[in-house]
Amino acid sequence: GAVVSQHPSRVICKSGTSVKIECRSLDFQATTMFWYRQFPKQSLMLMATSNEGSKATYEQGVEKDKFLINHASLTLSTLTVTSAHPEDSSFYICSARGKRDTRVPDENSPLHFGNGTRLTVT
Amino acid sequence: GQNIDQPTEMTATEGAIVQINCTYQTSGFNGLFWYQQHAGEAPTFLSYNVLDGLEEKGRFSSFLSRSKGYSYLLLKELQMKDSASYLCAVKADSWGKLQFGAGTQVVVTP
Repeated sequence: GAVVSQHPSRVICKSGTSVKIECRSLDFQATTMFWYRQFPKQSLMLMATSNEGSKATYEQGVEKDKFLINHASLTLSTLTVTSAHPEDSSFYICSARGKRDTRVPDENSPLHFGNGTRLTVT
Repeated sequence: GQNIDQPTEMTATEGAIVQINCTYQTSGFNGLFWYQQHAGEAPTFLSYNVLDGLEEKGRFSSFLSRSKGYSYLLLKELQMKDSASYLCAVKADSWGKLQFGAGTQVVVTP
């Protein structure tokens, strides 16, 4: 079953509003979470990496004031798209890894992905 | 620069075999992943290689040559449900940061 829950799966918002996307690890402590964005027919592009209790590290070209990431607990990370514009419409996916994910060796653990959030800004 | 290259699209018939190649040039290497992604869904883990050689998992196998910066995913006995995008991803550090290729769209025809 799913080990990472992402919510909402779809959201439509008006230009200028903010949208919050949640990513929860269900049965392990997610020490690190990654946020990706995927435009149609393109691959996943990493936006930022967040470690629990510390500030997120953003990839080059990603505006940290626009895409606010919070990773306040070991099971929850949130991505807030502030003042959304139509060009922010995309598929946002989180992934998580944990220190004590016993299903696979720690260093080699495949990252668990959420089911993604389809954001449409009108 | 960092590059992960894979073909854009491949077509094969049901029951056949398809090999998806992936070449990479990255600043670090801590393993290579293959994921399957159906349209509008999150990627699903298929395989992981960190040492040279072949890893077999049912109908899917993955091969890695670190000296050549090369991997392939082999899909055998293709089924219609295998029609999807297949993503090659390199883990550049030990914390799980993945760099993805653009994906190969596999179309399985009857």
